[in-house]
Amino acid sequence: KQEVTQIPAALSVPEGENLVLNCSFTDSAIYNLQWFRQDPGKGLTSLLLIQSSQREQTSGRLNASLDKSSGRSTLYIAASQPGDSATYLCAVKGAGNMLTFGGGTRLMVKP
Amino acid sequence: DVKVTQSSRYLVKRTGEKVFLECVQDMDHENMFWYRQDPGLGLRLIYFSYDVKMKEKGDIPEGYSVSREKKERFSLILESASTNQTSMYLCASSLVVGRLTEAFFGQGTRLTVV
Repeated sequence: KQEVTQIPAALSVPEGENLVLNCSFTDSAIYNLQWFRQDPGKGLTSLLLIQSSQREQTSGRLNASLDKSSGRSTLYIAASQPGDSATYLCAVKGAGNMLTFGGGTRLMVKP
Repeated sequence: DVKVTQSSRYLVKRTGEKVFLECVQDMDHENMFWYRQDPGLGLRLIYFSYDVKMKEKGDIPEGYSVSREKKERFSLILESASTNQTSMYLCASSLVVGRLTEAFFGQGTRLTVV
């Protein structure tokens, strides 16, 4: 059974720092990996989707990488801002219809 | 833009009531999902549907049922609400193109059962 882990569970950084969030998964037979952002009390917003054949995807200050063979993905946030404060979740999809989610990393960017 | 809309942001219901949570998506997606999210437990799948009138149990289906009579609408039903069903409920739909699946979520419904 696929397991997805996100470390650290919480992170606090000063504004302007570049930071990396980690996501690891136990079964490398995935079709794609998706990163989400969740603000307190709200739903999930899709940030980036990486197909299994891709190594990375970029959107603005966000860059997500995927190393399928080692079971890892990272989300890189450049020049962090207080507005980036949220919980970030990764989810992987294998052969079935379901997504398997990590527990999330709660990010606080201090002004 | 894909839109997944949940009928309520906040609900307060009494123990024993029958509760309906509604979700509508506007992108003709085949798959729709209901999750609940609790602190320390993450997102847990309750039910999912891959077509009209088709459903599959997720990890925690007990105490819940679902209905999908139209492709765009997926309802979660709490037959007799209990306090341990107080939670954040999230609906999602997904677009499947070959092996690629992208999921989109609604804004969530915070349900409190008193």
